[in-house]
Amino acid sequence: DTGVSQDPRHKITKRGQNVTFRCDPISEHNRLYWYRQTLGQGPEFLTYFQNEAQLEKSRLLSDRFSAERPKGSFSTLEIQRTEQGDSAMYLCASSPILGRRRYNEQFFGPGTRLTVL
Amino acid sequence: AQTVTQSQPEMSVQEAETVTLSCTYDTSENNYYLFWYKQPPSRQMILVIRQEAYKQQNATENRFSVNFQKAAKSFSLKISDSQLGDTAMYFCAFMKHGGQGGSEKLVFGKGTKLTVNP
Repeated sequence: DTGVSQDPRHKITKRGQNVTFRCDPISEHNRLYWYRQTLGQGPEFLTYFQNEAQLEKSRLLSDRFSAERPKGSFSTLEIQRTEQGDSAMYLCASSPILGRRRYNEQFFGPGTRLTVL
Repeated sequence: AQTVTQSQPEMSVQEAETVTLSCTYDTSENNYYLFWYKQPPSRQMILVIRQEAYKQQNATENRFSVNFQKAAKSFSLKISDSQLGDTAMYFCAFMKHGGQGGSEKLVFGKGTKLTVNP
């Protein structure tokens, strides 16, 4: 399978614990995005990497959240001191860069569903 | 900031019939894309159809077509000959064209839950 993969698929944790999610993009995709989807809502943008550089962060990404993409390959999203409001589906997407005049489709992973008790 | 509004939280249609999902958006940008994504239950998001804002011709992909009204900022999805496998959440999304350096983050609506009944 050469699609975007995410691990784990489900995570249940207690309030106050730290959690880390991993995303493996499609090989050679330069861009990687993290989105958060809460129940009954559409996904909301969290952050974006181009290769290893984190170029944009949403205001949704509080200081308890940190994302990395070492070596421009896989990415991790860590949430420290989790709160019940962090319960959501965390989606990762990757896209190539095909050129200024071309459309760069985002391919989504299956998501990590986080439940904070 | 861009916003995307889907005013139909839920819709249902009989198998083989046609259904139209509505979407409106707000932006001051001139160069952008619009999308419809499908999210089946417990499965990942997949792209259904896209529309470039500079193109006047409405996009079509097999049974899926859009009605893009740029001046009205409206972007509806028509599904013809509905199939049971079309049952899913459908999200309308907006993307500002970012070029090679800019983020091309997607801005999503809240979604419409479509059920196709046998």
